[in-house]
Amino acid sequence: DGGITQSPKYLFRKEGQNVTLSCEQNLNHDAMYWYRQDPGQGLRLIYYSQIVNDFQKGDIAEGYSVSREKKESFPLTVTSAQKNPTAFYLCASSIDDLAPLHFGNGTRLTVT
Amino acid sequence: DAKTTQPNSMESNEEEPVHLPCNHSTISGTDYIHWYRQLPSQGPEYVIHGLTSNVNNRMASLAIAEDRKSSTLILHRATLRDAAVYYCILRDVGGSNYKLTFGKGTLLTVNP
Repeated sequence: DGGITQSPKYLFRKEGQNVTLSCEQNLNHDAMYWYRQDPGQGLRLIYYSQIVNDFQKGDIAEGYSVSREKKESFPLTVTSAQKNPTAFYLCASSIDDLAPLHFGNGTRLTVT
Repeated sequence: DAKTTQPNSMESNEEEPVHLPCNHSTISGTDYIHWYRQLPSQGPEYVIHGLTSNVNNRMASLAIAEDRKSSTLILHRATLRDAAVYYCILRDVGGSNYKLTFGKGTLLTVNP
């Protein structure tokens, strides 16, 4: 079945450590996105990529970095510079800029 | 970006129709109305979208007001699996359409 895989589902880190969240899709979609969701809140866009080797900052990119070396993969690194990293992180993809988004089931990151 | 307003929560009974409202008084001519829903601890799922005419698919119907300043997502027979947060979003096909902004949405509770 085609879809988006985010791993791991739960992730625990100590403060001051960088951590990378995985996002893989086999839908052959060009566009990929990273969102952050805090409890009881909506989703906020961190980064997005419309094509391989290109990505743009979203509304809350500070403290995060991404790469898009392959069409299928869009990993997100949460750096130690991110002041409140504990959140639910969602990856999504779409066939192009206008199509509906397909979301993964998220990674819940806890930093203590 | 044009904003949407939704009630924080709604309640329904199983097997009854549900009408989820959304106001978007500042909608522009190039804004599509999209609906997504998010089950607990999962990523959002695309439900339906439309521009001017009412739309139907296997999941729901979308009724759009003639002046396009409001819309209603209709679930014809609610089931317990429809309990979720429903997001109404405007997607501008003429502008920064990658920046889908998800507000807090409407939490739908379905009673058995």
